[in-house]
Amino acid sequence: DGGITQSPKYLFRKEGQNVTLSCEQNLNHDAMYWYRQDPGQGLRLIYYSQIVNDFQKGDIAEGYSVSREKKESFPLTVTSAQKNPTAFYLCASRLSNTGELFFGEGSRLTVL
Amino acid sequence: AQSVAQPEDQVNVAEGNPLTVKCTYSVSGNPYLFWYVQYPNRGLQFLLKYITGDNLVKGSYGFEAEFNKSQTSFHLKKPSALVSDSALYFCAVRVPNYGGSQGNLIFGKGTKLSVKP
Repeated sequence: DGGITQSPKYLFRKEGQNVTLSCEQNLNHDAMYWYRQDPGQGLRLIYYSQIVNDFQKGDIAEGYSVSREKKESFPLTVTSAQKNPTAFYLCASRLSNTGELFFGEGSRLTVL
Repeated sequence: AQSVAQPEDQVNVAEGNPLTVKCTYSVSGNPYLFWYVQYPNRGLQFLLKYITGDNLVKGSYGFEAEFNKSQTSFHLKKPSALVSDSALYFCAVRVPNYGGSQGNLIFGKGTKLSVKP
């Protein structure tokens, strides 16, 4: 079935460590997104990519990095520079004509 | 500035009663409007969208929403709530060229719907 796969589902990290969250899609969508979700704050956009080998900062990009070497993959690295990385991270891809987003099941990162 | 507001953090409804989750928006141009639902520790699932045409849009799981241009609203409704409808609901709007790109969505902060038996 077509969809978006995020891994790992749960991740624990010590302070000072970088961690990479995986996002893979087989929907053949050009655009992909990373959001951060915190209780009571809705979804905040971290990074997005409209096409392979191109990506743009969202509203809260500091302390994060991404790459888009393949159409299917859009990994997010949470670096040690991110001051408060504990959160639920959501990856999505976009259907071009209507703008509808398709979401993965999320990755919950906890910093110990 | 472009924005989406969900004025209620939580909505409580008895099972079998009608439910409404409110959404208003402030954007320039003609928006595309969406509703998503999120169950605990899960991703967002698409419910319905308004692009153009009939102002009443029907979606998944018996939900519907009415686009009201004069009131800039897109409230989510269901005639008879189920306990299984309990979840977090997000309204979103697509604005062409928002943030310098084509088609990014702006999300509201979410409304927690609680349906009691």
